Amino acid sequence: EVQLLESGGGLVQPGGSLRLSCAASEFTFSTYAMTWVRQAPGKGLEWVSAINSGGDTYYADSVKGRFTISRDNSKRTLYLQMNSLRAEDTAVYFCTKTPGIGLIEYSDYWGQGALVTVSS
Amino acid sequence: DIQMTQSPSTLSASVGDRVTITCRASQTINKWLAWYQQKPGKAPKLLIYKASTLESGVPSRFSGSGSETEFTLTISSLQPDDFATYYCQQYDTYWTFGQGTKVEIK
Repeated sequence: EVQLLESGGGLVQPGGSLRLSCAASEFTFSTYAMTWVRQAPGKGLEWVSAINSGGDTYYADSVKGRFTISRDNSKRTLYLQMNSLRAEDTAVYFCTKTPGIGLIEYSDYWGQGALVTVSS
Repeated sequence: DIQMTQSPSTLSASVGDRVTITCRASQTINKWLAWYQQKPGKAPKLLIYKASTLESGVPSRFSGSGSETEFTLTISSLQPDDFATYYCQQYDTYWTFGQGTKVEIK
């Protein structure tokens, strides 16, 4: 069974930085595109960022220039480096796997989520 | 950017009811649409992709239809486990979610 385990969430002050990690197992991590999706408290889902198997990256306008997605295939781990954090970045961040290789499609597996709280 | 609009935002129904949720795209997305179910405190679960293809293991009471800009998710006979929030997502051009439809007990 595919497993995705996020870590690195926590409380950070506005303007601060945080790095989320997502450890993947039970599938060939290097083959698949991966994404980050977030959900603010009591709100809906928002796509944040994506990276395909070739390393091409994509960002929502709301995080472009502040967040960086990356992957370490040798460690089977996806990352999200978040800089210049704002209160509106407060959310549960989900790591997701997509069934696509070059293409980034829908999410067929989701992690349990990591809570990021931006507050002074 | 492609906007996705779901209706209704909240739906009250009883066990056994036939339930339909609509998702409209601001421009054509062909059939590049997925549906997810989310329960409180849990991650979303994939139900349907490519507008009408049922994900493995998802009960057959769930079905999806539509193309271009108008899509529907139908639950043929609502079960107690189906009370949840449902989201559509387009993956034609980047990725956008609808705002969600909460299915609650009538």
